[in-house]
Amino acid sequence: DADVTQTPRNRITKTGKRIMLECSQTKGHDRMYWYRQDPGLGLRLIYYSFDVKDINKGEISDGYSVSRQAQAKFSLSLESAIPNQTALYFCATSDPLGEGGELFFGEGSRLTVL
Amino acid sequence: DAKTTQPPSMDCAEGRAANLPCNHSTISGNEYVYWYRQIHSQGPQYIIHGLKNNETNEMASLIITEDRKSSTLILPHATLRDTAVYYCIVRVPTGNQFYFGTGTSLTVIP
Repeated sequence: DADVTQTPRNRITKTGKRIMLECSQTKGHDRMYWYRQDPGLGLRLIYYSFDVKDINKGEISDGYSVSRQAQAKFSLSLESAIPNQTALYFCATSDPLGEGGELFFGEGSRLTVL
Repeated sequence: DAKTTQPPSMDCAEGRAANLPCNHSTISGNEYVYWYRQIHSQGPQYIIHGLKNNETNEMASLIITEDRKSSTLILPHATLRDTAVYYCIVRVPTGNQFYFGTGTSLTVIP
C-alpha cells in the first residue's frame, strides 16, 4: 500500500459544485501539504499544515479550504468549483527532523471542472 | 527560501551521463539544495540533497560549487526510464515550504 494515498484519483465535476479531495498517510509525519500542478508548469503550494491545530496558506489558497482531521488526514475542499481549478492535485508529507525533510508525494488527483 | 534557475529542457543519449545544471545565486548559508524528479504525471520523487559537499547515492550525484551559487545533478548512466522533469529546490530543512519552479525536462534518447 502507498504511504500517501489520495482519493479520488480522477474526478469530473460541474461548475459550482463542492468537491473534496482527501489525503491519508501512514508515514507518521506531522507536516502535510497540498500542491496544484497545471499542464507544463511546476507545482504550486495551496495550503500546508504542521500539525492538527496548524493550517497555513500557500501561494494560491484563494478558492480552496483545508481540514486537518488527524495527524494522518488532510483534506482539500473546493467550495464552489470553477473551470480554472481544473488541474492535477498532489498531497505530500514531510518529517522536519534532521536535515532530510524531503517530501513524500501521493499519486495525484486529477480534477476536471466543466 | 532562495529561488532557482534551470534550463527548460535537455536531451541525453542513453548510457551517457546526464548533467543537469541549477543556478541558485541567492542561496543563504543554511539552505540545502534538493533535487526531485517527476515522471510523467506521477508524484515527484526525491533524488538527493546536499549543503556544501558533493553527495552521491544510488540514484545520482550532486556537485555543489564552492561558492554554492550553482549545482549540477549527475545521472551517471542515463536510461530511458530517467526521462522526466527534474526540479532543483533550495530551502532550509525545517523551512515552511518547498517552492517548485518549472524544472528541466530531460529526454533520454535511445
